[in-house]
Amino acid sequence: SQTIHQWPATLVQPVGSPLSLECTVEGTSNPNLYWYRQAAGRGLQLLFYSVGIGQISSEVPQNLSASRPQDRQFILSSKKLLLSDSGFYLCAWGLAGDTGELFFGEGSRLTVL
Amino acid sequence: GNSVTQMEGPVTLSEEAFLTINCTYTATGYPSLFWYVQYPGEGLQLLLKATKADDKGSNKGFEATYRKETTSFHLEKGSVQVSDSAVYFCANRGTGRRALTFGSGTRLQVQP
Repeated sequence: SQTIHQWPATLVQPVGSPLSLECTVEGTSNPNLYWYRQAAGRGLQLLFYSVGIGQISSEVPQNLSASRPQDRQFILSSKKLLLSDSGFYLCAWGLAGDTGELFFGEGSRLTVL
Repeated sequence: GNSVTQMEGPVTLSEEAFLTINCTYTATGYPSLFWYVQYPGEGLQLLLKATKADDKGSNKGFEATYRKETTSFHLEKGSVQVSDSAVYFCANRGTGRRALTFGSGTRLQVQP
């Protein structure tokens, strides 16, 4: 069966510090991968998605970036965090070419102070 | 473009009450529709889905019917339990779209 795992689960970082959140998927090949952000009391905003190694699509301009160095690994990064980057970050995967559902990780809560 | 609108929360109900959470959408083509549930501190879990008009998705006593004529996918449950307390998200995936578009979420609080 397929599993998705992201870490760290909780992160407290000062403004201006770097960020790295990692997500891995097991049990499937060539998945579509996604990063969403959920700000406090708000819905989910799509940040990035990837259909293959090295292929990243950005949905909104921001100081975040994403990379996909391996087929089942998706990394969310920032060189300098802003207060507004605080939120709950969710990684998800879906079957390539499918129109079905996405499967979400446990989430990473980021607090920028 | 794609969008999803769902009712504002929180929705507060007593145990065994009837639940309706409204969801309407706009999308290109013939979208697939989804309801996800998020328990405190956790990621999202798929609750149910429907992929074509008049399909009814159901799971754990929850139901939603894909209504193309009204572009709606309302979530219902006949008798809620305290354990149903969570945030519920409606989502769609338009034809040719690689990602889901989510509504803002509706918090449900069920009191004993």
